[in-house]
Amino acid sequence: GQNIDQPTEMTATEGAIVQINCTYQTSGFNGLFWYQQHAGEAPTFLSYNVLDGLEEKGRFSSFLSRSKGYSYLLLKELQMKDSASYLCAPREGGGNKLTFGTGTQLKVEL
Amino acid sequence: DVKVTQSSRYLVKRTGEKVFLECVQDMDHENMFWYRQDPGLGLRLIYFSYDVKMKEKGDIPEGYSVSREKKERFSLILESASTNQTSMYLCASSPILGTGHYEQYFGPGTRLTVT
Repeated sequence: GQNIDQPTEMTATEGAIVQINCTYQTSGFNGLFWYQQHAGEAPTFLSYNVLDGLEEKGRFSSFLSRSKGYSYLLLKELQMKDSASYLCAPREGGGNKLTFGTGTQLKVEL
Repeated sequence: DVKVTQSSRYLVKRTGEKVFLECVQDMDHENMFWYRQDPGLGLRLIYFSYDVKMKEKGDIPEGYSVSREKKERFSLILESASTNQTSMYLCASSPILGTGHYEQYFGPGTRLTVT
């Protein structure tokens, strides 16, 4: 099984940088996904890390430390449209089954 | 673009009814998933399928069954709906490992209310 912990809510200012942390405990860890979900919509894929280090994709970056069971999602130059829930999802084992955290609700303010 | 569609966006059913939720994907994905999403509990896996006629239980399969007769279609069945099955139901699909793409693609969701 998996134990995933991420903050419930965060608030940040437009144009700023925010870091959303995720810690996990899982057996057979095999990569971690981040998804974005706007209210009333389906989750959409943001990033995937399987090796330690930082993966950058435009304004969004994701970091993974396998030894620490820790990941973060970094959002730069925040925009109002970034207000959403961000879901951390470690993958366990060799299949494609994910376990999702409860999500971090990010509110971007002027 | 991958497209995952679900048969209804909103559904209202009565306690004891048999409910079918349909999901169709157009990208020839092998894997398909059914989740439910509830406030404070996040996304929880009900069932998944990695091939036609194959299914595996997820974390909360009780009260649900599934059917996958064709590769593109994965159905979730509530044999006898109960009020605690009121939830948002999300379907997802993904390709098999080794293709270089692992992410799951989600449908728009079905908000089911059982009264």
